[in-house]
Amino acid sequence: KNQVEQSPQSLIILEGKNCTLQCNYTVSPFSNLRWYKQDTGRGPVSLTIMTFSENTKSNGRYTATLDADTKQSSLHITASQLSDSASYICVVGRASGTYKYIFGTGTRLKVLA
Amino acid sequence: ETGVTQSPTHLIKTRGQQVTLRCSSQSGHNTVSWYQQALGQGPQFIFQYYREEENGRGNFPPRFSGLQFPNYSSELNVNALELDDSALYLCASSSSGLYQETQYFGPGTRLLVL
Repeated sequence: KNQVEQSPQSLIILEGKNCTLQCNYTVSPFSNLRWYKQDTGRGPVSLTIMTFSENTKSNGRYTATLDADTKQSSLHITASQLSDSASYICVVGRASGTYKYIFGTGTRLKVLA
Repeated sequence: ETGVTQSPTHLIKTRGQQVTLRCSSQSGHNTVSWYQQALGQGPQFIFQYYREEENGRGNFPPRFSGLQFPNYSSELNVNALELDDSALYLCASSSSGLYQETQYFGPGTRLLVL
């Protein structure tokens, strides 16, 4: 069954600290993996996208890693800011079939001053 | 802002009614995908339209249908509304139907079914 699981479900950190969010998937055939940031009440915004051959991708203070062998990805946030408070969603795209995108349920991050 | 717009922003319907949600894609994009996001959950893929043709569908019943117009804007229609259809409906546009293309999401339409 094609699934994307994210952990933790929620996370609270202090401003300036680093954190790492996890994504495990059982999606096949694999095409790509994306991380999105979704502010409350708004649509998701793309942070990174990685294909099978990419191990890491950075976007400012966000760094995503992908291990296609173990089917795991992580999103590392460096020097967190209050504006990082949001849900972070991992999405795996399939290379074929009608179910194109499998979304995780997200990790809700709260950054405190 | 992504350039993807959706209307209306909020909508209240009663069970059994029909609803039409609209999405205008970003300029230059020919692909629109629709998603349903229940409260506290990740989005669920409904279907995708590429150049006016359905190009993939998730696990949603036939009462969820869609259209894409020659200007690549799109509609999502839901018939015989059920209470569980209450959710945030998101559309996303991309520049092609290719899997690796970045999708740009609109702000969503929040539907409440009473």
